[in-house]
Amino acid sequence: QVQLKESGPGLVQPSRTLSLTCTVSGFSLTSYGVSWVRQPPGKGLEWIAAIWSGGSTDYNSALKSRLSISRDTSKSQVLLKMNSLQTEDTAMYFCARYYYSGDYYVMDAWGQGASVTVSS
Amino acid sequence: DIQMTQSPASLSASLGETVSIECLASEDIYNNLAWYQQKPGKSPQLLIYYASSLQDGVPSRFSGSGSGTQYSLKINSLESEDAATYFCLQDSEYPWTFGGGTKLELK
Repeated sequence: QVQLKESGPGLVQPSRTLSLTCTVSGFSLTSYGVSWVRQPPGKGLEWIAAIWSGGSTDYNSALKSRLSISRDTSKSQVLLKMNSLQTEDTAMYFCARYYYSGDYYVMDAWGQGASVTVSS
Repeated sequence: DIQMTQSPASLSASLGETVSIECLASEDIYNNLAWYQQKPGKSPQLLIYYASSLQDGVPSRFSGSGSGTQYSLKINSLESEDAATYFCLQDSEYPWTFGGGTKLELK
């Protein structure tokens, strides 16, 4: 059974660094990519970053200078770090599995989300 | 970045009706378009990928179509469980971008 589970601190002070972990089961990180997507309260979805099955990475250009995505395949975990947090970064953060068929991408399974509030 | 303009922002329909939701891309996305359904407090669920391919387990009353810059999601014979917010996603080019969402209310 494919599962993704996000974990994080919940509350982060402004200007500090956020660290989120996505722990996956039911599939291998060397066969599938993982993306991070966030959703501010009551608003739409924003794609943040992705790490491919081969380990290469892509970032939202608007956030790239603040982001780092990495993985630990031995632990089946994908890690997202975002620095210089502001109140606008308050959101639900989701991780999602994706794969590339050769012609198209499919982002087919999502975690339940981790709520992050930026406040002093 | 590719901009995705989704319409309408909200929609009210009756059980058994058929509705359509549109997404317009700022440039050609070559059918690299997915549709998701999200219910309150839940994560998005994939309905359609590559513009018109139905994800396993999704009811056949959902269908996707389109090409180039214009895409649509059609829901036939609305059921109560279809009340949700629907998002399109272009995965043609990084950064992937979502439409603003359509909130579907059942009368």
